[in-house]
Amino acid sequence: EVQLVESGGGLVQRGGSLRLSCAASGFTFSTYWMSWVRQAPGKGLEWVANIKQDGSDKNYVESVRGRFTISRDNAKNSLYLQMNSLRAEDTAVYYCARALHSNSPSALVDWGQGTLVTVSS
Amino acid sequence: SYELTQPPSVSVSPGQTARITCSGDQLPEKYVYWYQQKSGQAPVLVIYDDSKRPSGIPERFSGSSSGTMATLTISGAQVEDEGNYYCYSIDSSVNLWVFGGGTKLTVL
Repeated sequence: EVQLVESGGGLVQRGGSLRLSCAASGFTFSTYWMSWVRQAPGKGLEWVANIKQDGSDKNYVESVRGRFTISRDNAKNSLYLQMNSLRAEDTAVYYCARALHSNSPSALVDWGQGTLVTVSS
Repeated sequence: SYELTQPPSVSVSPGQTARITCSGDQLPEKYVYWYQQKSGQAPVLVIYDDSKRPSGIPERFSGSSSGTMATLTISGAQVEDEGNYYCYSIDSSVNLWVFGGGTKLTVL
């Protein structure tokens, strides 16, 4: 059974930093693209970033580029999101998600339960 | 930036067919994916590659795509199908993924 468990969320002041983690199990982590998706309170889904299997390709939504860094440790079956210079508009539940097809950044088929990040102003 | 456009809401009676649309300029060349999200829960993939259904998703869920518009159809909608539905696809010019704004489906 695929499991994705996010952690690291919490309350942080505007301008602060936070590192989210996602522990993966139940599949061969090193063969899948992984993504972060967020959802602000009462709002829709927003794709944030994704990373290739070996970490050699990373993509970011424009609003976080230069402030957030996605990374992974295949030896630890873990995905990370380093978030710096946080803004009030970054307040959201952050989900990690696995691509449907191995070796392709396709649909996101498995999701974690999410971790809440609240940026106070 | 690339946008996927969905109607904010759709309402049907139980047993009727619900259709949720998603329009985007790159849909003729790129697959669309559909997610169902119920309150307080993570999204669930209900359609991938325009029209394929993951295992465990009821047959009443189907998808199609023609030109710049994709459609999620729920044939014989049930009360438990209520929730928010999002389409998802890629902006291939910049290799970034985008969700539609979401459609709230009400079945009553």
